[in-house]
Amino acid sequence: GAGVSQTPSNKVTEKGKYVELRCDPISGHTALYWYRQSLGQGPEFLIYFQGTGAADDSGLPNDRFFAVRPEGSVSTLKIQRTERGDSAVYLCASSRHSANTGELFFGEGSRLTVL
Amino acid sequence: QQQVKQSPQSLIVQKGGISIINCAYENTAFDYFPWYQQFPGKGPALLIAIRPDVSEKKEGRFTISFNKSAKQFSLHIMDSQPGDSATYFCAASKTGANNLFFGTGTRLTVIP
Repeated sequence: GAGVSQTPSNKVTEKGKYVELRCDPISGHTALYWYRQSLGQGPEFLIYFQGTGAADDSGLPNDRFFAVRPEGSVSTLKIQRTERGDSAVYLCASSRHSANTGELFFGEGSRLTVL
Repeated sequence: QQQVKQSPQSLIVQKGGISIINCAYENTAFDYFPWYQQFPGKGPALLIAIRPDVSEKKEGRFTISFNKSAKQFSLHIMDSQPGDSATYFCAASKTGANNLFFGTGTRLTVIP
């Protein structure tokens, strides 16, 4: 497809479980971002990849959150021992350039609900 | 600490009217100010952006006004249409940064 693809679109899990969220960016975009959007709030930065490496993970809230991008394309956000407070929409975005110099293209998000 | 403060939280405008959304920031290092539009169930999409070397940027019915000394910027939607009903987010970033700081959003409803 032409846009950023995220799966699953919805995920319901129980407290304490492990979750993986996948992002397939626009072809050719080397920059990839994960954001978290809580209800009624703006997106909050989690992590940024340039190519395969996590260039900035300063937004990850704690060590339960981890993300990878092993081949410089698809990325997976991993959340261990989920908590109810992790419930949110997790947005992935990609771009050709950095966040300061160009447009971020967002996917539709993965809505995570932790019961 | 909210890096970008946005108001109002919600806005109702009659069709054909002008919608105005305001944002303020503190970090003088910010030098890129985009506005994103988000429809329910969709991701945000870039609407228009400005850099501080100009005080205004217009694209169709959408205009950003930028006041560097006041550290404020606003989005004006002229001739508002029901199709403009969405949530609007202002954002800011600085050169070399990897992150966009988003405001809390304004839910715009345009009444036919």
